[in-house]
Amino acid sequence: ELKVEQNPLFLSMQEGKNYTIYCNYSTTSDRLYWYRQDPGKSLESLFVLLSNGAVKQEGRLMASLDTKARLSTLHITAAVHDLSATYFCAVPLIQGAQKLVFGQGTRLTINP
Amino acid sequence: EAGVAQSPRYKIIEKRQSVAFWCNPISGHATLYWYQQILGQGPKLLIQFQNNGVVDDSQLPKDRFSAERLKGVDSTLKIQPAKLEDSAVYLCASSSLRGAGNTIYFGEGSWLTVV
Repeated sequence: ELKVEQNPLFLSMQEGKNYTIYCNYSTTSDRLYWYRQDPGKSLESLFVLLSNGAVKQEGRLMASLDTKARLSTLHITAAVHDLSATYFCAVPLIQGAQKLVFGQGTRLTINP
Repeated sequence: EAGVAQSPRYKIIEKRQSVAFWCNPISGHATLYWYQQILGQGPKLLIQFQNNGVVDDSQLPKDRFSAERLKGVDSTLKIQPAKLEDSAVYLCASSSLRGAGNTIYFGEGSWLTVV
């Protein structure tokens, strides 16, 4: 059974600081997705990581994938209040398929 | 480009009643998904359609949940009879190709409260 675990589940940080959210998964996967969810809203796609060593950056967010370690990271640089949200990683249950198994989510709060 | 549309946005029903949710995916997207998201958890896939055929419904509680996508476009998800534990957000999503690393786009969800 595929398990996707995020760490930490809750994160409160100051503006201007850097931090990293970790996503571990239990079986081999060829790609990984990161989503953002604001309270009461749907999931917004942030990144699709398609290969080992893939790194993608958008603004203050950077995501990377290590398929050998079964680990993805979402790094936040110089955090700003607008990045406060819940962040989910998701992995396909079967390689090549699109049935996603989501992590529990990391609730990020950035304080001024 | 219009996103994934869902309705109703909010619904409150009593247990044992029935409810139906509607989804219109992004135009041209062949694959459609229904996810259930319980408060404080990540979404869980209920059913996946490719055009009007079911690809995966292994996590759909078939004794009370049903879904259809008759013409390969819109889809409905029905719950009958509802239980208290069905209180959740039901998210519809769509993507353009099955088996590829394409983005899966989510609608804003239908919030169900069963009392």
